[in-house]
Amino acid sequence: DTGVSQDPRHKITKRGQNVTFRCDPISEHNRLYWYRQTLGQGPEFLTYFQNEAQLEKSRLLSDRFSAERPKGSFSTLEIQRTEQGDSAMYLCASSLGSDTGELFFGEGSRLTVL
Amino acid sequence: EDQVTQSPEALRLQEGESSSLNCSYTVSGLRGLFWYRQDPGKGPEFLFTLYSAGEEKEKERLKATLTKKESFLHITAPKPEDSATYLCAVLLGGNQFYFGTGTSLTVIP
Repeated sequence: DTGVSQDPRHKITKRGQNVTFRCDPISEHNRLYWYRQTLGQGPEFLTYFQNEAQLEKSRLLSDRFSAERPKGSFSTLEIQRTEQGDSAMYLCASSLGSDTGELFFGEGSRLTVL
Repeated sequence: EDQVTQSPEALRLQEGESSSLNCSYTVSGLRGLFWYRQDPGKGPEFLFTLYSAGEEKEKERLKATLTKKESFLHITAPKPEDSATYLCAVLLGGNQFYFGTGTSLTVIP
């Protein structure tokens, strides 16, 4: 399968714990995006990478959130000291990097913070 | 402030009953408008990209159109398998995609 893959698909954690999500984009795609989606809402932009460089971060992204993309391949999104409000679907998407290229999404990682 | 608004929030159709979904936007510097389909518990699946007013794209029972202020997703003779949430997104400068809240479509057999 050559699509975007995310791991884990589901994560249940207790408030205050750290969690990490991984995203493997489509291999030839140099742009990688993280989005968050809550029930009944559209995806909300968190951050994006061009190769290994993190070019943009949402103002909504608190300092408890950190993302990396070492070597411009897979990416990780870590949430430290989780809060109940962090419960959401975390979506990763990749694109070819043309000026107007569409996003290809993974299946998402659903986080539940108890 | 840039905004993307989708209507209606939810739509129930009988199988074969055609209708349209709306995505209106108030943004500057639109570089593209995208339609996605999202099934429950899954990531959005790309459907169409529209770049300029007057452009149209078709795929099976779906047709997307674009004007200067809005886009429509027309669904002709829908089937139950078309039931999903349909999202539109706009691409602005800085390579950020802004999504609407979606229209939840239910097609009843």
